Amino acid sequence: SQTIHQWPATLVQPVGSPLSLECTVEGTSNPNLYWYRQAAGRGLQLLFYSVGIGQISSEVPQNLSASRPQDRQFILSSKKLLLSDSGFYLCAWSPDSGANVLTFGAGSRLTVL
Amino acid sequence: KQEVTQIPAALSVPEGENLVLNCSFTDSAIYNLQWFRQDPGKGLTSLLLIQSSQREQTSGRLNASLDKSSGRSTLYIAASQPGDSATYLCAVRGDSYGKLTFGQGTILTVHP
Repeated sequence: SQTIHQWPATLVQPVGSPLSLECTVEGTSNPNLYWYRQAAGRGLQLLFYSVGIGQISSEVPQNLSASRPQDRQFILSSKKLLLSDSGFYLCAWSPDSGANVLTFGAGSRLTVL
Repeated sequence: KQEVTQIPAALSVPEGENLVLNCSFTDSAIYNLQWFRQDPGKGLTSLLLIQSSQREQTSGRLNASLDKSSGRSTLYIAASQPGDSATYLCAVRGDSYGKLTFGQGTILTVHP
């Protein structure tokens, strides 16, 4: 069966520090991968998605970047965090074809102070 | 641009009641609609997926319907239990890349 892992689960970082959140999927190949953010009082916002290694699409302009160095690994990064980057970051995957279910990881809660 | 709205924003019911959560979307050209559950501080758990060609899906006490032409979906929960307390989110998929547009969610509280 397929599983999705995210880490770290929680992170407290000072403004201006770098960020790296990692997501990996097991038990499947060539998945579509997604990063969503859920800020306090707001809905889920799609940040990035990837349909293959090295292929990254950004949905909104922001202080963050994403990379997909391996088929089942998706990384969310920032060189210098802003207060507004605080939120709950969720990684998700779906099979690469068909109208299929999106499965989410447990999330990473980032607090920028 | 797709917009998804969920009504009500919050709902509090006594245990045992049947209840309906509503979701509406502005662009009827969707691939599918998915209902999720989110417990506080947790990730999202998929409850039901309705393809654009389907009218409804059922899983246990949950039944979701889809009226694509009118841009509406409902999630029906039968015989509600305190363990059903959570935020319920609906999301529509509008393209082949699987990107979802989410509603703001309905916060459900079922009290004993």
